[in-house]
Amino acid sequence: GAVVSQHPSRVICKSGTSVKIECRSLDFQATTMFWYRQFPKQSLMLMATSNEGSKATYEQGVEKDKFLINHASLTLSTLTVTSAHPEDSSFYICSARPGSGANVLTFGAGSRLTVL
Amino acid sequence: LAKTTQPISMDSYEGQEVNITCSHNNIATNDYITWYQQFPSQGPRFIIQGYKTKVTNEVASLFIPADRKSSTLSLPRVSLSDTAVYYCLVGERGNSGYSTLTFGKGTMLLVSP
Repeated sequence: GAVVSQHPSRVICKSGTSVKIECRSLDFQATTMFWYRQFPKQSLMLMATSNEGSKATYEQGVEKDKFLINHASLTLSTLTVTSAHPEDSSFYICSARPGSGANVLTFGAGSRLTVL
Repeated sequence: LAKTTQPISMDSYEGQEVNITCSHNNIATNDYITWYQQFPSQGPRFIIQGYKTKVTNEVASLFIPADRKSSTLSLPRVSLSDTAVYYCLVGERGNSGYSTLTFGKGTMLLVSP
């Protein structure tokens, strides 16, 4: 089946540094990928829609200069948390639709970011 | 976007059938209903999708009444490993574009021995 790989699974960084998270579709091409954030005991919140070859679409309230998204190829999207602060500590999850005709998302395993 | 409402939590015991109902009163004509399962510190996993009536796969069944304003996920003979959060989403399944899938609060299912 369709697989979305996310890396790293866990990352700890110091406040003020930047962290990059990669999301890869392993056996399918994804012109669109989605980035979610999830705080403890809460639901997933859509941050942005990543579009291959064009700018990402950010949800209201999400700072595009802080959460940089790059979708340079049909199998890779990256999320960079710039100048991270402790309040950015969260579980970040990417997803993609593996095929046409079905509004079904395949999710990565998530990346746990801890900012000290 | 169609909003969904689910119970916050449910408790069950091993071997029982569990039915989780989701309300989506303003579901649109082109919207499909999809259920996901999420374990702690993991990404959600697709369970089942349907449009109307009943859909069954190796994992679960999905019951959708004629008015489509609600749906029920049925898990037969649950085990401890079914303890997870279950999300109901509605969104368009169209060739010209897909509506963004928004997660509600989900239902935390706890299965006990």
